[in-house]
Amino acid sequence: VQLVESGGGLVQPGGSLRLSCVASGFTFSNYYIHWVRQAPGKGPVWVSRINNDGTSTIYGDSVKGRFTISRDNAKNTLSLQMNSLRVDDTAVYYCARDSGLVVPDAFDIWGQGTMVTVSS
Amino acid sequence: QSALTQPASVSGSPGQSITISCTGTSNDIGAYNFVSWYQQHPGKAPKLIIYDVTNRPSGVSNRFSGSKSGNTASLTISGLQAEDETDYYCSSYTSISTHVFGTGTKVTVL
Repeated sequence: VQLVESGGGLVQPGGSLRLSCVASGFTFSNYYIHWVRQAPGKGPVWVSRINNDGTSTIYGDSVKGRFTISRDNAKNTLSLQMNSLRVDDTAVYYCARDSGLVVPDAFDIWGQGTMVTVSS
Repeated sequence: QSALTQPASVSGSPGQSITISCTGTSNDIGAYNFVSWYQQHPGKAPKLIIYDVTNRPSGVSNRFSGSKSGNTASLTISGLQAEDETDYYCSSYTSISTHVFGTGTKVTVL
């Protein structure tokens, strides 16, 4: 059971970046998946969640209108399109599986994270 | 959504028990039993150690236990060991269908 993120890097303020998360070892299409970020030296902050078939998404206030979560169950892949990036978006971005099969619950499987740095 | 409030640090001697509190509101911790706890070692991803207030995932030591009263959840580590020295975070589902994490607690084994 594994999640592997990619796509992080250095981007200028106002720029865009697309993160990916590839799942393996479990039936991806059965689970809600989240993005969680953690700025250097700070605690985790929940970013977004998508339901198992991709028809329902929700975002934290700090990214609403700028980030878009999506998934491709045929490719076992989760994505996060990040636009209008700001310096305070700098963080390690984790994808995390939700343990609940009916309602959102805990984050039971985490990827290793991908670093996003927004700086001029 | 404001972060849940945790003490910045808690310490104890080997073999002792310590408790970390996590205070929220009636819109998160007080609303549901979807409180979870995570252990995070430096440079690593968080690891789930308690879910649904009191449940331990398979493979997690029974030295970790959780509880909740009103708007406050607690994590107790009994028989404190050197390997327990790291950061701990609580999290809760909220009434607006989002999730919120705690401010984090650094556990020190004296």
